[in-house]
Formats: sequence, structure tokens, C-alpha cells
Amino acid sequence: SSELTQDPAVSVALGQTVRITCQGDSLRNYYASWYQQKPGQAPVVVIYGRTNRPSGIPDRFSGASSGNTASLTITGAQAEDEADYYCSSRDSSGYHWVFGGGTKLTVL
Amino acid sequence: QVQLQQWGAGLLKPSETLSLTCAVYGGSFSGYSWTWIRQPPGKGLEWIGEINDSGSTKYNASLKSRGTISLDTSKNQFSLKVTSVTAADTAVYYCARVVWGAISPWGQGTLVAVS
Repeated sequence: SSELTQDPAVSVALGQTVRITCQGDSLRNYYASWYQQKPGQAPVVVIYGRTNRPSGIPDRFSGASSGNTASLTITGAQAEDEADYYCSSRDSSGYHWVFGGGTKLTVL
Repeated sequence: QVQLQQWGAGLLKPSETLSLTCAVYGGSFSGYSWTWIRQPPGKGLEWIGEINDSGSTKYNASLKSRGTISLDTSKNQFSLKVTSVTAADTAVYYCARVVWGAISPWGQGTLVAVS
């Protein structure tokens, strides 16, 4: 079982804002990173270090963190944002990685 | 830009050994850690283990000591072996780099089926 907890599914209307959350004790000590995975493709990091966005990732993606909860916000969701999103961080020991169970985002 | 390309046998019988290799192109191999992650069909991501550029390894306890990650710095490659595979090891296996508190980039993935 995952040490990071995500809602299994979230939906958002086209152009609206959606927040995907991730909860876990390790997030009190380690930043979450967020990964977008489209069908048949490898995951791609969209947010790391809590709020950093890799080059090439649209600025509608943003991250935040408070206590044991991290969140990924998509402001003005586009059809191409429909995907599975996974959070990840080091575990409480700091030695291993853990993933959330993933959130399937549907853009209506 | 760093790219990872992976390969290995895609169909195994129970009790055989899974063997995958990942090559790193277009960037430095040293100074980073390298990891393997798997994803059973229709399920989420599971971290398998990690190796740093000195060869120090860490593994997910769920593998029960069946997994070994090694590296070949002369070839800019790292590898994964999992012994005594069962149907539960059927998954898409990804290699990836650990950098700045994130896992990026990822290899293209290799589907390994045990049957």
C-alpha cells in the first residue's frame, strides 16, 4: 500500500481550475514531485521541489505544500492535461521513494 | 538533453531471472543516482530501487532480496536483475534518473510478462 494518498479520480471543466492533493507523513520532511502520465507513455515530471516547474511544462501547472499535504494545481485546464497524475517523495527514512496511488484527471 | 534507452527480455517463465539494461545518452552519468520503477498493468507506480554513481544501492523491501541493480560507468549503463520471477512481477519497467528531488527523465519502458 502507498504511503502517499491521492484521490483516485478528479474531473474539471475545460478552462477551469483543478487541484489534486497528496497526503503522507513523509511530506512533512520531503518535498513532493508530481508526474503526468498519458496512456502508453512514460511519466513526465511536471513539478518538483514543491513548486519548481521543469522547462517545457506550461505555467498553468503549479505546486504547493503545507504540513503533510502537497497539491498540484492546474489553472485553466486544457484537453491535453487529461492524464494520470502521481505524487512522489522520499519516504520517512529518506532512503527510498514512495508514490501515491495516482489520480485520473478527466477534462470535461 | 539526457535520454535513457532501455532494453531486455519481455517474456519470462516463472522462476526465471528478469534482466534489463538502461543506457544514458547526452549527459553526465556521474554525480547522479539511477533508479528502476515498475507499473503493473492498469496499476500505479512502484519504486524498485536505486544506485548512486559510487555503486551504493537501496531497494524496496517488497522485492524480498530478489532484486539487484548494478552499473557500468564505462558504458554509461545501469542494469536491473530480479530473480525467481512470478506473475506478480508482470509490469512495465522504467529506468530513470534521480535529480534535484525528482525522477527525470524516464526511459521508454519495457513490458515484462511472466507466464
